[in-house]
Amino acid sequence: DVKVTQSSRYLVKRTGEKVFLECVQDMDHENMFWYRQDPGLGLRLIYFSYDVKMKEKGDIPEGYSVSREKKERFSLILESASTNQTSMYLCATTTGGSGNTEAFFGQGTRLTVV
Amino acid sequence: AQKITQTQPGMFVQEKEAVTLDCTYDTSDPSYGLFWYKQPSSGEMIFLIYQGSYDQQNATEGRYSLNFQKARKSANLVISASQLGDSAMYFCAMSPQTGANNLFFGTGTRLTVIP
Repeated sequence: DVKVTQSSRYLVKRTGEKVFLECVQDMDHENMFWYRQDPGLGLRLIYFSYDVKMKEKGDIPEGYSVSREKKERFSLILESASTNQTSMYLCATTTGGSGNTEAFFGQGTRLTVV
Repeated sequence: AQKITQTQPGMFVQEKEAVTLDCTYDTSDPSYGLFWYKQPSSGEMIFLIYQGSYDQQNATEGRYSLNFQKARKSANLVISASQLGDSAMYFCAMSPQTGANNLFFGTGTRLTVIP
């Protein structure tokens, strides 16, 4: 059974804290993505990675950074959390190229910054 | 640049009736895939159906079918014989099949099935 696992389901952090959201996949997929989901805005892409140590900015990268040191792990980092980063964060993976017929998602992390 | 548009924030359908959820897209990539996902209130993203841009036939998966009109750049989801459990958010997404395979989503449609 394929699996994408996010480290936390719920997280509460204080303004200014450094926050790490971890995503691990066991499918040997090349591509990994971090989205945030807000009501009425759908899923907006923060960053994605198509290979180890490779990363590309998505639509809303400001205030975030990422790390992909191993193929199976993609970390999202909030350098200094702010209240406007309170959101649902979703990690997803896909295989590359023409075999890309499904994206697999983690269960989501609901982050609250107070 | 790629863009996915879902113009229906909310839809209602009577139980056992069929419903169509609209999705249009914009891309300059010659090869791409189109996806539909369901997100119930629990928050998980459930894959429903996939259509490749070069597929000749419309995709079907059980009660779900994708009405793919390439010239119009539309990929509408049709749910037949709606059930109460179909009430959820539905997202349309697109991924180029060349290059970095980014994955773009629309803003979603909230479907409510009425008994």
